[in-house]
Amino acid sequence: DAKTTQPPSMDCAEGRAANLPCNHSTISGNEYVYWYRQIHSQGPQYIIHGLKNNETNEMASLIITEDRKSSTLILPHATLRDTAVYYCIVRVAASGGSYIPTFGRGTSLIVHP
Amino acid sequence: EAQVTQNPRYLITVTGKKLTVTCSQNMNHEYMSWYRQDPGLGLRQIYYSMNVEVTDKGDVPEGYKVSRKEKRNFPLILESPSPNQTSLYFCASRGDAVETQYFGPGTRLLVL
Repeated sequence: DAKTTQPPSMDCAEGRAANLPCNHSTISGNEYVYWYRQIHSQGPQYIIHGLKNNETNEMASLIITEDRKSSTLILPHATLRDTAVYYCIVRVAASGGSYIPTFGRGTSLIVHP
Repeated sequence: EAQVTQNPRYLITVTGKKLTVTCSQNMNHEYMSWYRQDPGLGLRQIYYSMNVEVTDKGDVPEGYKVSRKEKRNFPLILESPSPNQTSLYFCASRGDAVETQYFGPGTRLLVL
């Protein structure tokens, strides 16, 4: 799997957009970018994933650069409940296979009032 | 309701006393895994299982055992716990797609 680099911590004002960057400069052509988050002492929660195109769902948007070497997770209107550690993972295949993700240290996002 | 359950949620034990943390899922998932989480180290995979009777080591398997006799259950066994196994443990299961991965509520273990 390609290695990812994330800032250890970020903060954001409630109601503003939170933009969390992830660097994955060694990503291979068949590797997807996945984002999870973990609220304090709970199990991680899947947020979104993508290959090349930008993706959006009810939780967040994922922007992947054209060269795919970096990406940004966007929480458009952050709330206090979005305070969590966010993990960026790069892996092959969106489905099937035996792969179970390994999580790095992630970015600790603090949303303040 | 789709869920992964773990028991116990909290456990204090002493060095060398064998213990088992149970994990059960109700989604008929083939893939299950165990992670431990320690401050500053993120989640690290201990063992994983692709199906019944198929298990393999993750990144930090030393001191742990697992078994997968039934699809729904994946217990984590510490034969002789040591203080460095004090941690927060998560069990997880998933279907074919990674986005269907579900984590249990966690088990906080303290080994004295």
